[in-house]
Amino acid sequence: DAGITQSPRYKITETGRQVTLMCHQTWSHSYMFWYRQDLGHGLRLIYYSAAADITDKGEVPDGYVVSRSKTENFPLTLESATRSQTSVYFCASREKGMNTEAFFGQGTRLTVV
Amino acid sequence: AQKITQTQPGMFVQEKEAVTLDCTYDTSDQSYGLFWYKQPSSGEMIFLIYQGSYDEQNATEGRYSLNFQKARKSANLVISASQLGDSAMYFCAMSGYNAGNMLTFGGGTRLMVKP
Repeated sequence: DAGITQSPRYKITETGRQVTLMCHQTWSHSYMFWYRQDLGHGLRLIYYSAAADITDKGEVPDGYVVSRSKTENFPLTLESATRSQTSVYFCASREKGMNTEAFFGQGTRLTVV
Repeated sequence: AQKITQTQPGMFVQEKEAVTLDCTYDTSDQSYGLFWYKQPSSGEMIFLIYQGSYDEQNATEGRYSLNFQKARKSANLVISASQLGDSAMYFCAMSGYNAGNMLTFGGGTRLMVKP
């Protein structure tokens, strides 16, 4: 099926553990994004990627690592999870151009205990 | 840098009435795009409407219209004939030419439609 999928949908992890959130899109969109959604903050950009092997920091990148070895995949890794990283994470993709809409995954609810 | 401000954390509207959700933005770009997304309680992000900075007419999509006032840097969403299914979070977002293809979001407005 065409679209953008995130896995897992729900994750509980312990403080200090490494966790990776996966994102896969089937459209071959150039741009991919990771956002976190917290109450009162809307969606804040963590990292984005303009193409394979090109990534850049967003508004809140600290504590996160991304990679994009293939156009369709954009995993987000929390190297050492902290409770402040408890959030809902959204992956999105869009084609190049200001007027193109972004398509979002279903979100991953991550709880760090 | 680009910034989106949504000043209404929550709003009520009576079913079948129209409602306006406010959005102001700040950017140094001359060329930019403005978007509205809906997020129902199920959590998915649904694209509603787009307005380009050089578009002369306000965008419309069914019951959604965008009241674009460039000089005031506002891009308010108008929903006509509200339905119970319109109850959701609504996010305004923008993408500027010099900001690459980043989409910057506002804090959102929670709309509740009363029967």
